[in-house]
Amino acid sequence: AQSVTQLDSHVSVSEGTPVLLRCNYSSSYSPSLFWYVQHPNKGLQLLLKYTSAATLVKGINGFEAEFKKSETSFHLTKPSAHMSDAAEYFCVVSLFSGTYKYIFGTGTRLKVLA
Amino acid sequence: DAGITQSPRHKVTETGTPVTLRCHQTENHRYMYWYRQDPGHGLRLIHYSYGVKDTDKGEVSDGYSVSRSKTEDFLLTLESATSSQTSVYFCAISEGREERGPYEQYFGPGTRLTVT
Repeated sequence: AQSVTQLDSHVSVSEGTPVLLRCNYSSSYSPSLFWYVQHPNKGLQLLLKYTSAATLVKGINGFEAEFKKSETSFHLTKPSAHMSDAAEYFCVVSLFSGTYKYIFGTGTRLKVLA
Repeated sequence: DAGITQSPRHKVTETGTPVTLRCHQTENHRYMYWYRQDPGHGLRLIHYSYGVKDTDKGEVSDGYSVSRSKTEDFLLTLESATSSQTSVYFCAISEGREERGPYEQYFGPGTRLTVT
């Protein structure tokens, strides 16, 4: 069965320092993986998606994620945090069993300190 | 931004009353989803639709029903609202063509429902 685990419910970083948000997945076949961001009182916005074309995926706003099959991980990183990055981030795995469904992690709230 | 609207955006209702939330899309996407978001749980799937009149249950479907009579509209009904259904509800759409994805989802702005 497919599942996704976000290893940290809260992460705090200082502005200008790197960001690492961790996600591990479980999938019986090659997964489709996504990262979404949700700013306070907003809907979810796609940051990036893994398409199997490349293991390092670049997204919007300087974020990127690396798919590591051996570690079943899809961690989200950014070299330098900005105050506007403060939000909640969701790792998502999609599954196809006749129809498409999506399984969400429980989210990581990123706090950026001035 | 994908053309997805949700109505109402906020609603307060009393326990035992029926409530209907509407999701409307202008993208002609095949799939539509209803999620609820609660602290510590991420987003949990309530129901989804893969075509007009084609719907299926998600992981938290008890107490909810859906209908999709047109491609653009997906209605979520709480048959008899309970306090445990106080939540933020999100609609999402996805292309879901026949060939394999991945297909990202696009989300509406959400509906905040309070059941008193």
